[in-house]
Amino acid sequence: GAVVSQHPSWVICKSGTSVKIECRSLDFQATTMFWYRQFPKQSLMLMATSNEGSKATYEQGVEKDKFLINHASLTLSTLTVTSAHPEDSSFYICSARDLVDTQYFGPGTRLTVL
Amino acid sequence: GNSVTQMEGPVTLSEEAFLTINCTYTATGYPSLFWYVQYPGEGLQLLLKATKADDKGSNKGFEATYRKETTSFHLEKGSVQVSDSAVYFCALSPLGTGGYNKLIFGAGTRLAVHP
Repeated sequence: GAVVSQHPSWVICKSGTSVKIECRSLDFQATTMFWYRQFPKQSLMLMATSNEGSKATYEQGVEKDKFLINHASLTLSTLTVTSAHPEDSSFYICSARDLVDTQYFGPGTRLTVL
Repeated sequence: GNSVTQMEGPVTLSEEAFLTINCTYTATGYPSLFWYVQYPGEGLQLLLKATKADDKGSNKGFEATYRKETTSFHLEKGSVQVSDSAVYFCALSPLGTGGYNKLIFGAGTRLAVHP
């Protein structure tokens, strides 16, 4: 089946720094990718919808200036957490939608902000 | 609003036992319903789906029926295996929200199957 990768799988950073997370669809093109956040023992929360070549659509309550999303190509979307703080520590998961509207999920990136 | 509620885990079963994981939803209109599974160290995978009332989704021995009257989509399997140990997520995709194919997830239920 289709594969979605994320890089890095985990990252530790200092408070105030920025962190970039990549999401790639390895064997299909994805005009739409989604970014989710998951807290321990809680459900995945959709943060934003990333559309290739256009601005991302953010869900209510998600700060677009804090979570910058760039979908520069049909196989790559990036999420940059700017000026990270400890409360941004979480598990970030992306998914990519193929031409028949099936979503494939990446394995996730665990971010820890010290 | 739209939401999904599923039973808390962990669920611990012996091999060959019957499995039920309850899932209920709140939604406006007629959502599509999904079950995703996440094996250790892997991304979520679509297990099965149903797009309208009374539809039954099935895959790998798992089944779930879209019950509009009870707003439920319970996951069942007649005989679980150790390899079924994973976290199971119930999800819905609302219609007409402008966020085509966006998914709203339940909290997930961890299943542990012992030999």
